[in-house]
Amino acid sequence: AQSVSQHNHHVILSEAASLELGCNYSYGGTVNLFWYVQYPGQHLQLLLKYFSGDPLVKGIKGFEAEFIKSKFSFNLRKPSVQWSDTAEYFCAVTPGSSNTGKLIFGQGTTLQVKP
Amino acid sequence: NAGVMQNPRHLVRRRGQEARLRCSPMKGHSHVYWYRQLPEEGLKFMVYLQKENIIDESGMPKERFSAEFPKEGPSILRIQQVVRGDSAAYFCASSPRTQGQVVYEQYFGPGTRLTVT
Repeated sequence: AQSVSQHNHHVILSEAASLELGCNYSYGGTVNLFWYVQYPGQHLQLLLKYFSGDPLVKGIKGFEAEFIKSKFSFNLRKPSVQWSDTAEYFCAVTPGSSNTGKLIFGQGTTLQVKP
Repeated sequence: NAGVMQNPRHLVRRRGQEARLRCSPMKGHSHVYWYRQLPEEGLKFMVYLQKENIIDESGMPKERFSAEFPKEGPSILRIQQVVRGDSAAYFCASSPRTQGQVVYEQYFGPGTRLTVT
């Protein structure tokens, strides 16, 4: 069965530190990849997405992610985090062969940024 | 343009009661997805609907759960005879369309937090 794995369940950083959240998926074919963020008390919002083309994807709020096909990975990065980045981050995948678009989510990573 | 609306935001039910969760998609979106998030877990796909059609219900529990998206009105996720294990956050997402291998992003609602006592 297809699955998505996020390695870090809880990350604590100080402001200005660099961030990298790991995401690996298990599916051999083409995939569409997403990172969603859920700020405290708010709904899920799309940070960035990869469908095809340049494997380095830039999203909102200074986030970026790199698709490495050989490693089945789509890690999220930000060079310098802010206190306002405190949130839960979800990686999600849709197999390219899917004609329903249903998302397969990782279990999420809680990021806490200390001021 | 209003986003995806879900109500109620919080719902408390006693064991054996019925829970009805509503989702109004974004304007112009005719595709609705329901996901469930159990405590300490990620979101799990439940069902995908278009107007008046259930397209994929592979994530729905076999019993007590049903979903609909009528021609008029919101999509409804219905849970009959709730049990404590149904306590979770239920998220609805809408999409303009998904056709063939063309995927469009999903926009999520704020969720309904169901507590079964």
